[in-house]
Amino acid sequence: EVQLVQSGAEVKKPGESLKISCKGSGYSFTSYWIGWVRQMPGKGLEWMGIIYPGDSDTRYSPSFQGQVTISADKSISTAYLQWSSLKASDTAMYYCARHLGVTYPLDYWGQGTLVTVSS
Amino acid sequence: QSALTQPPSASGSPGQSVTISCTGTSSDVGGYNYVSWFQQHPGKAPKLMIYEVTKRPSGVPDRFSGSKSGNTASLTVSGLQAEDEADYYCSSYAGSNNPYVFGTGTKVTVL
Repeated sequence: EVQLVQSGAEVKKPGESLKISCKGSGYSFTSYWIGWVRQMPGKGLEWMGIIYPGDSDTRYSPSFQGQVTISADKSISTAYLQWSSLKASDTAMYYCARHLGVTYPLDYWGQGTLVTVSS
Repeated sequence: QSALTQPPSASGSPGQSVTISCTGTSSDVGGYNYVSWFQQHPGKAPKLMIYEVTKRPSGVPDRFSGSKSGNTASLTVSGLQAEDEADYYCSSYAGSNNPYVFGTGTKVTVL
């Protein structure tokens, strides 16, 4: 069974750093892209970027380039999304999802990680 | 890259049909047959319902169908059921520089 399991909810202060994770199982982790999607409270889905764990090829949405870093450790089938200095506006639910290629759909999704940034 | 445009809301009675539009440009929806539709219930992760404009993943009821004309894609839900009440998002491939764009989302209400 394909599963993407994300790390738990986080509460952070502005300026702090954070790294959340997404662990894949039930499929060849290095053969699929992992994408990250933001959903701010009460708002729609926003595509942030993707990584191919097989060779760490990474692409970012222009809206998120320079704001976050996407990485992966294929030895433990885990992708990451990290911030070096959080802002209150980063408060959102973050989802990871996999797809076979950039033209393929996001077919399996993680359960989401809620990040709350508040002083 | 701007979000694809969807109507904020749509509704129908049980058994009726509802159609949701998703309007983009020739650089995304109109340029490729890589439109997907997702269903999201409150507090849940999105679920893929349609991909490549018209294809249904295994397990998705055939009450859900997709189409496209020019720069606008559409999702039709036939024979509406109470469990179809959810938010629906379209997405499209938009080229190698910024591969993925989502729609603004549509809340479907079953009256």
